[in-house]
Amino acid sequence: DAGVIQSPRHEVTEMGQEVTLRCKPISGHDYLFWYRQTMMRGLELLIYFNNNVPIDDSGMPEDRFSAKMPNASFSTLKIQPSEPRDSAVYFCASSFAYRVSGANVLTFGAGSRLTVL
Amino acid sequence: KQEVTQIPAALSVPEGENLVLNCSFTDSAIYNLQWFRQDPGKGLTSLLLIQSSQREQTSGRLNASLDKSSGRSTLYIAASQPGDSATYLCAVWNYGQNFVFGPGTRLSVLP
Repeated sequence: DAGVIQSPRHEVTEMGQEVTLRCKPISGHDYLFWYRQTMMRGLELLIYFNNNVPIDDSGMPEDRFSAKMPNASFSTLKIQPSEPRDSAVYFCASSFAYRVSGANVLTFGAGSRLTVL
Repeated sequence: KQEVTQIPAALSVPEGENLVLNCSFTDSAIYNLQWFRQDPGKGLTSLLLIQSSQREQTSGRLNASLDKSSGRSTLYIAASQPGDSATYLCAVWNYGQNFVFGPGTRLSVLP
């Protein structure tokens, strides 16, 4: 498997523009997580899905952020309109739900670095 | 709500030293604990996973231990090398929650 695949790797946009980040999880993983990382706040969970259903979106900063997972192999994180304070690295990660054994390794993508001017 | 802390925030050691990184969590009802490594400008790579029923895991020069009752985990790195320089993060998977990350320890191994 190629691992968790994110695109684009880098995005530079102007304030007010719409930004769409994409993620392809590892095949067979039924959990998908979106994280945001900044120097000031570290790694923050934005939202996570289980079997394509959003479970917890309490980390989504505001209504400008939305995430979808239309099928098991694809998810998007959209910011509309974007603001300079949204500049960060956005990571997607996926995992199996081996709750009983606890053997669910969390695997990260390489991240999408977003700069909003 | 689970909180994860890591001490120290930064560590600088000469090459060849053995070192210990610490991770503490407030809620012991966890499925597992994972240690990750992050190189500058890169994603996170999983190093070791310790299930809640286990006490330690080893991979090469790395050994991670888990004491659920005290809410602590340590990552031991033997014979450190400059290539070990990175930020190390621990994360716990909670019952009914999700992975909660610590802030990380930034390690520099000097040649």
